[in-house]
Amino acid sequence: GDSVTQMEGPVTLSEEAFLTINCTYTATGYPSLFWYVQYPGEGLQLLLKATKADDKGSNKGFEATYRKETTSFHLEKGSVQVSDSAVYFCALSGWPGNQFYFGTGTSLTVIP
Amino acid sequence: DSGVTQTPKHLITATGQRVTLRCSPRSGDLSVYWYQQSLDQGLQFLIQYYNGEERAKGNILERFSAQQFPDLHSELNLSSLELGDSALYFCASSVGPGVAGELFFGEGSRLTVL
Repeated sequence: GDSVTQMEGPVTLSEEAFLTINCTYTATGYPSLFWYVQYPGEGLQLLLKATKADDKGSNKGFEATYRKETTSFHLEKGSVQVSDSAVYFCALSGWPGNQFYFGTGTSLTVIP
Repeated sequence: DSGVTQTPKHLITATGQRVTLRCSPRSGDLSVYWYQQSLDQGLQFLIQYYNGEERAKGNILERFSAQQFPDLHSELNLSSLELGDSALYFCASSVGPGVAGELFFGEGSRLTVL
């Protein structure tokens, strides 16, 4: 069945460091891919998404490209800030059933 | 604000008790999902409803049940509570099957079982 595998954490980076969180997926059909972020004490909120191969989702300096050939959707940011400290979840939505599958989450801590 | 409303935000109860968590989806969304998030686990999918009908079931215990009402709000009932049921319970909504949209999450209901 459909599934998502993401990089285990926790990840600790210094401010202004480069961030990559790996995410690979297994899916039949043509899923949509998402990154969600959960700040401490809050619910999950959509960070970015991509709905077809080669699409690049971007938001708040974060980017991820839907790579069908490598079944990946890695999250990147060129320069992280303390305020980026959160848990990041990769997810896919199977089409057309709209089932959502989440990765286990990667905790990021950015230190000044 | 995601538009998804969950109540109560916090709940403390004793083992063996029963609680009901409520969710109002975003306006126009027909699908409702319930997730459980424990401290040492990720996001566990419990159940999905679409327009009042159960659509998919995940790792939902038999002590738990849910339903979606004609006005599209949903309730998650947790009974015979155990210490291990202490967790954050999230509701999320989406437009529904056949539309490639994202999930919108509520702020969660934090359940503490003592």
